[in-house]
Amino acid sequence: AQTVTQSQPEMSVQEAETVTLSCTYDTSENNYYLFWYKQPPSRQMILVIRQEAYKQQNATENRFSVNFQKAAKSFSLKISDSQLGDTAMYFCAFMIGGGSNYKLTFGKGTLLTVNP
Amino acid sequence: DVKVTQSSRYLVKRTGEKVFLECVQDMDHENMFWYRQDPGLGLRLIYFSYDVKMKEKGDIPEGYSVSREKKERFSLILESASTNQTSMYLCASRYPDRGPGYTFGSGTRLTVV
Repeated sequence: AQTVTQSQPEMSVQEAETVTLSCTYDTSENNYYLFWYKQPPSRQMILVIRQEAYKQQNATENRFSVNFQKAAKSFSLKISDSQLGDTAMYFCAFMIGGGSNYKLTFGKGTLLTVNP
Repeated sequence: DVKVTQSSRYLVKRTGEKVFLECVQDMDHENMFWYRQDPGLGLRLIYFSYDVKMKEKGDIPEGYSVSREKKERFSLILESASTNQTSMYLCASRYPDRGPGYTFGSGTRLTVV
């Protein structure tokens, strides 16, 4: 079974600064996807960024980037130039690629607060 | 814009009641999912359906059942609600041939008293 671990239940950062959220996972699969989801107070889950395991290049979406270390099974999220609207719960998630196994396995989440 | 709609944002039910949580998607997605979200536990999969009338148990199916009679609708049923089922329930859907991404509903916060 796959597991996803987020070791930081809460974090805070000052507006305009950079913050990194940690995620590790455990799997014996070689083909999989990793995701970061954001859940603001509105409760709507929003996909922030995703990474295919076969791609060595780290994914980037505007101010959001990941550091994907496949051998170490680590998938951290870096948020640059933090904004007040980044305040949310962030979930790291894993999905096995291919076949019909399309279930998302989530970590327990990190509550990020951006302070003015 | 694609949408997953959960019929209730907040729901209060009594212990022992039969509870239906409804989820509708307008994207012709084949796969649909029910997750439960609790503080400190993240999201845990209750049930999922990969096609009409097809269902599979997730990680925590006890006390729940599901129904999918039509492609667009996936219902979560609490046969006899208990206080330990007080939680946030999230529905999601995806189209298998269009990548791994999910579309989520905005959740139903259920309180069982």
